[in-house]
Amino acid sequence: KAGVTQTPRYLIKTRGQQVTLSCSPISGHRSVSWYQQTPGQGLQFLFEYFSETQRNKGNFPGRFSGRQFSNSRSEMNVSTLELGDSALYLCASRPPGQYNEQFFGPGTRLTVL
Amino acid sequence: GESVGLHLPTLSVQEGDNSIINCAYSNSASDYFIWYKQESGKGPQFIIDIRSNMDKRQGQRVTVLLNKTVKHLSLQIAATQPGDSAVYFCAENAGNNRKLIWGLGTSLAVNP
Repeated sequence: KAGVTQTPRYLIKTRGQQVTLSCSPISGHRSVSWYQQTPGQGLQFLFEYFSETQRNKGNFPGRFSGRQFSNSRSEMNVSTLELGDSALYLCASRPPGQYNEQFFGPGTRLTVL
Repeated sequence: GESVGLHLPTLSVQEGDNSIINCAYSNSASDYFIWYKQESGKGPQFIIDIRSNMDKRQGQRVTVLLNKTVKHLSLQIAATQPGDSAVYFCAENAGNNRKLIWGLGTSLAVNP
């Protein structure tokens, strides 16, 4: 099985712009979670989608949003980018009923200038 | 509040030695405690988990110990190899929403 894929791998944006990141989960996985990873804060949970519905949400401002499509692919969007949004954004999928073992993609490295 | 933290941010060991990575947690209600490994340029990878009603679980070359009395979790890696060099995260599965709460990570460097 192919692993979780994320595109693009690297992105450079300027303050005020918006960005869309994409994640394709492992085939058969319907749950997709997004995390922000920074050196000082570690992995911070953004949100989780299951069957096109947001099931869980972390403590991030409304500038961070996401969605999931019928094929389980997911996108996250960050509007009005700030310097502090520079981070590695990780996507993880998991099979139904399994909560502890998540399968992560390589991440998208976002740099905001 | 809930938090998962790590005692040591970096750990350096000799190849062949055993490694012990520690983690403290504060939420006694967590159902599971989990260890992940993140190699450079990759996403985290699941290593092992332990249910809160257990105090020890073994995997391939790894052992996780859970001490609920002092809210402490550790990951022991036997015969550490260069391929074990990575950042190790502990996480806890807390509450009905099944959201994972992650620690900050410990960097393990294996010296040849």
